Amino acid sequence: DGGITQSPKYLFRKEGQNVTLSCEQNLNHDAMYWYRQDPGQGLRLIYYSQIVNDFQKGDIAEGYSVSREKKESFPLTVTSAQKNPTAFYLCASSQDRGNSPLHFGNGTRLTVT
Amino acid sequence: AQSVTQLDSQVPVFEEAPVELRCNYSSSVSVYLFWYVQYPNQGLQLLLKYLSGSTLVKGINGFEAEFNKSQTSFHLRKPSVHISDTAEYFCAVSGVNTGFQKLVFGTGTRLLVSP
Repeated sequence: DGGITQSPKYLFRKEGQNVTLSCEQNLNHDAMYWYRQDPGQGLRLIYYSQIVNDFQKGDIAEGYSVSREKKESFPLTVTSAQKNPTAFYLCASSQDRGNSPLHFGNGTRLTVT
Repeated sequence: AQSVTQLDSQVPVFEEAPVELRCNYSSSVSVYLFWYVQYPNQGLQLLLKYLSGSTLVKGINGFEAEFNKSQTSFHLRKPSVHISDTAEYFCAVSGVNTGFQKLVFGTGTRLLVSP
């Protein structure tokens, strides 16, 4: 079955460490996205990519970095510069057409202590 | 730019009762509208979408929503809820021709269905 795989489901890190969240899709979608979800705040866009080797900052990109070396992969690195990294992170993909729905992975819950 | 307001953070309801989850949006251009559902510790799943045409949209799991342009609303309804409908529901909007990178989500409404 086609879908989006995020790994790991739970991740624990010490403050000051960088951490990379994995996102892989086999839907052959052009566009991929990373969202951050915090209680009571909905989803906020971190980064998005419409094509391999290209990506754009979303609304809350500070302290995060991404790469898009392959169409099916869009890893997110949470750097030590991110002041409040503990959150639920969701990866999504879509055909890059304006009316195409997003398909979401099951998320990674990151806890930084 | 677009914005979305979900007026209720939490809606408690008894099983088999009807429910309405409210969503209002703001936009200076024509919009696409979506409702997504999120079960605990999972990603979001598309319930239904309005792109154009009929203002009454039917989705999965017996949900439907009505696009009201004059009131800038897209409320979600279900005539009879089940325990399994307990989840968080997100309304989202994007401007026509702005692409999905501009999809804006509301803050969510938690539906709590009790027996």
